[in-house]
Amino acid sequence: EIVLTQSPGTLSLSPGERATLSCRASQSVSSSYLAWYQQKPGQAPRLLIYGASSRATGIPDRFSGSGSGTDFILTISRLEPEDSAVYYCQQYGSSPWTFGQGTKVEIK
Amino acid sequence: EVQLLESGGGLVQPGGSLRLSCAASGFTFSSYAMSWVRQAPGKGLEWVSVISGSGGSTYYADSVKGRFTISRDNSKNTLYLQMNSLRAEDTAVYYCAGLRIMITFGGVIVKADAFDIWGQGTMVTVSS
Repeated sequence: EIVLTQSPGTLSLSPGERATLSCRASQSVSSSYLAWYQQKPGQAPRLLIYGASSRATGIPDRFSGSGSGTDFILTISRLEPEDSAVYYCQQYGSSPWTFGQGTKVEIK
Repeated sequence: EVQLLESGGGLVQPGGSLRLSCAASGFTFSSYAMSWVRQAPGKGLEWVSVISGSGGSTYYADSVKGRFTISRDNSKNTLYLQMNSLRAEDTAVYYCAGLRIMITFGGVIVKADAFDIWGQGTMVTVSS
């Protein structure tokens, strides 16, 4: 089973700042089958990024994904108040599919 | 509008059973593989099970294998999760989620997609 470790646990930034979220895998994620989801309190997760770097439909271009192998990054270029949420990475290249433990982004 | 609506959650005693349903609308249900993902209170996401678009292939997390059964009825656009021998650690919000692609070969998933459609979830509480 591939273990995904996200860092930091919590990120507290001001509107307009840049957020960098990390996701490290215990072994290589095949074909960059790595996704990022956003989850706000009381809501279902929402797909942001798939294939490590492709934005899902309707996702603003301030969200971008990068990386390959075992190291992946989600960048939010200019934080807005509505970006306050927990962000999860997920690998779907090897069963069982696994999620990271999440990074909470707080907007000051 | 693309929509998934879960139902069937509730309070059940340890060792009991429950069947969850997920009604789909707004997309071609049979073209999508479907999955269940759960989230224990205050915790992260855990993949539970997935079924191919035809229903011919199913996969489970080790934590539920032998106790849970995923199925689908494409004529009713509905996904199911039969949960038996429930334990306290199964307490969670259960989400159904759709993925466009899941290709299997020799019993192994060789290509899959991210979950691009999610329901709002249904709460399952296992407690005496």
